[in-house]
Amino acid sequence: EAQVTQNPRYLITVTGKKLTVTCSQNMNHEYMSWYRQDPGLGLRQIYYSMNVEVTDKGDVPEGYKVSRKEKRNFPLILESPSPNQTSLYFCASSPYPGWDQPQHFGDGTRLSIL
Amino acid sequence: EDKVVQSPLSLVVHEGDTVTLNCSYEVTNFRSLLWYKQEKKAPTFLFMLTSSGIEKKSGRLSSILDKKELFSILNITATQTGDSAVYLCAVIMNYGGSQGNLIFGKGTKLSVKP
Repeated sequence: EAQVTQNPRYLITVTGKKLTVTCSQNMNHEYMSWYRQDPGLGLRQIYYSMNVEVTDKGDVPEGYKVSRKEKRNFPLILESPSPNQTSLYFCASSPYPGWDQPQHFGDGTRLSIL
Repeated sequence: EDKVVQSPLSLVVHEGDTVTLNCSYEVTNFRSLLWYKQEKKAPTFLFMLTSSGIEKKSGRLSSILDKKELFSILNITATQTGDSAVYLCAVIMNYGGSQGNLIFGKGTKLSVKP
């Protein structure tokens, strides 16, 4: 089954404790992206990747890091989480954007930073 | 600054009504526009629109894009309670756009009463 898998689905942690949210897709997609969703602000893009070793900042990259060492994985790293990063996070993937294919979303990760 | 604006932000209708959701955009290097439906979790894809004036239909849902006036509409006829959701509009920009590759609007929350 074609899917985008995020882990964990829920996490409560404390300020400053490094965490990683994993994202994996099994569709051989070139493009992957991370979003955060906050009430009243909608979905905002954090980082995206056009292919292995190619990443770029989205709308709200501050406080986040990503890496794309393999095509299927695109982890989101919070080196020193802060309460303003409490949010619902989505990973998404698609074929290369030039092929005009929609993005497939993971089920989301709800992070609470205390 | 690139932006996508949806209206109304929320809407309450009764079963059987027809609704029209609006999405306007101002972006550099427009490529295509997408509509998603979001219920409890991940957004699910509805339509991708790239060319002006060509209506896309799926059951009771339809959508059309006007690239001259920079907007799109999503129509839902004979609404059902299962149509209750947040409807998201997003614009894909060609690679190299100022705010990453994809921008979402804040969504329209549709509530359909029995």
